[in-house]
Amino acid sequence: DAGVIQSPRHEVTEMGQEVTLRCKPISGHNSLFWYRQTMMRGLELLIYFNNNVPIDDSGMPEDRFSAKMPNASFSTLKIQPSEPRDSAVYFCASRSNSGGAGETQYFGPGTRLLVL
Amino acid sequence: AQKVTQAQTEISVVEKEDVTLDCVYETRDTTYYLFWYKQPPSGELVFLIRRNSFDEQNEISGRYSWNFQKSTSSFNFTITASQVVDSAVYFCALSEVSSGYNKLIFGAGTRLAVHP
Repeated sequence: DAGVIQSPRHEVTEMGQEVTLRCKPISGHNSLFWYRQTMMRGLELLIYFNNNVPIDDSGMPEDRFSAKMPNASFSTLKIQPSEPRDSAVYFCASRSNSGGAGETQYFGPGTRLLVL
Repeated sequence: AQKVTQAQTEISVVEKEDVTLDCVYETRDTTYYLFWYKQPPSGELVFLIRRNSFDEQNEISGRYSWNFQKSTSSFNFTITASQVVDSAVYFCALSEVSSGYNKLIFGAGTRLAVHP
């Protein structure tokens, strides 16, 4: 079975440009999570969706960040305009809730973003 | 207050040595889940184990074993007869019922280097 798919795997852009990260969760999973990993802050949750609905976006750093999940098999995380401090690895994770909300989150390979 | 503490920043061992990675957590919830993830040099996050707060039985999976002790709020991970392929960053994480189990709180990670 395919795991969580993220694209692109690497992105290099210039400050001020718009960046869109994409995620395809594991088929059948009800919840989707976006995390960011930096040296300074470690792994932190940005936003999560249940059944395509955003539930908690309190981790989104500022208005420059937005996330959507138009259907059960696709989500985007957009940064506009991007800044050098947004450079990080962005992970998408998905989870099935069929066994209860404590189920395991499975992570994608991540997108390594560098903003120059 | 840091909820998941991995006090060992880096550990270096020689192949075939046993190594224990420490994880101490803090929570007011009586119901929670604990996880370990592995992040190899390629960068992805690989799920290793999930344990709920009501199950204090130790678990063994091949060369891996986990020791969960609620009395000391610890969930330690031991690799027996380490191998070079075990070299990675290992993360311990906590998911609490108060967050609907929707937020994984990660420790800072322990970087394990296994030398031939």
